[in-house]
Amino acid sequence: GAVVSQHPSRVICKSGTSVKIECRSLDFQATTMFWYRQFPKQSLMLMATSNEGSKATYEQGVEKDKFLINHASLTLSTLTVTSAHPEDSSFYICSATGGSAPYEQYFGPGTRLTVT
Amino acid sequence: DAKTTQPTSMDCAEGRAANLPCNHSTISGNEYVYWYRQIHSQGPQYIIHGLKNNETNEMASLIITEDRKSSTLILPHATLRDTAVYYCIVRVHNAGNMLTFGGGTRLMVKP
Repeated sequence: GAVVSQHPSRVICKSGTSVKIECRSLDFQATTMFWYRQFPKQSLMLMATSNEGSKATYEQGVEKDKFLINHASLTLSTLTVTSAHPEDSSFYICSATGGSAPYEQYFGPGTRLTVT
Repeated sequence: DAKTTQPTSMDCAEGRAANLPCNHSTISGNEYVYWYRQIHSQGPQYIIHGLKNNETNEMASLIITEDRKSSTLILPHATLRDTAVYYCIVRVHNAGNMLTFGGGTRLMVKP
C-alpha cells in the first residue's frame, strides 16, 4: 500500500512553454502533498506544501506564479512549470501523507524535466 | 526540524554490515529519527524510524544512543542494490509535517 505515482517520468520542453506534472496517491487519500526539487548532486529542496482544496504554501524563494500547484482532489496534485527556462531543468519529486499512517510521507518516483 | 550531521560518503564491501552514523545533538524530546534512502534518479524510500528505543525491520536496524544525540543505521548484509544516498532526518509527528533533507551519506557498496 501507500503508492504514489508521478506522470510523466521524463519530459523535455522548449524554453517559454509550460509543462504539467501529475502526482497521484493510488491507494490512499492524501490530505497533504509536498513538491520537492532536486538539482544534480544536491539534496531535495522543498518547494511547496499543498492541502486538498486550499492554496499551496510556498517556501521562501519559490515563485508561486511560476510554479502553479493545484490539489483539487484527495488523490491528485499537479505542478505546472510556467514559461519554463533551462534553469528550471531539474528532478521534481512529490510526496503525500494521509491514509492509515498520517505522519508518514510516501514519495513518488520523480519527474526529470529538461528545458531546451 | 533539528539539524543532522552525516558523513558525506562511505564505502562498504558487499555482504558486510554497513553502519551509517548520524549526529543530531539538538534533537528535541518529541522528535523522531527517520532514515530514508534515495537510489540514483528515484524518489526517496522510507527505511525506518524511531524515538528512543532501537528498532529493526526487514530492511535495517536503527540504534539510538541513550541521550538521543546520535544514531546509527545498520544494513546487516549490504548488497550492490543498497548503493544510494542515505538521509537521516529528525522530525516531530504532526500530520502533514514536512521533511527537511540534509546532504545525506552517499554509500557505495563494492563487490
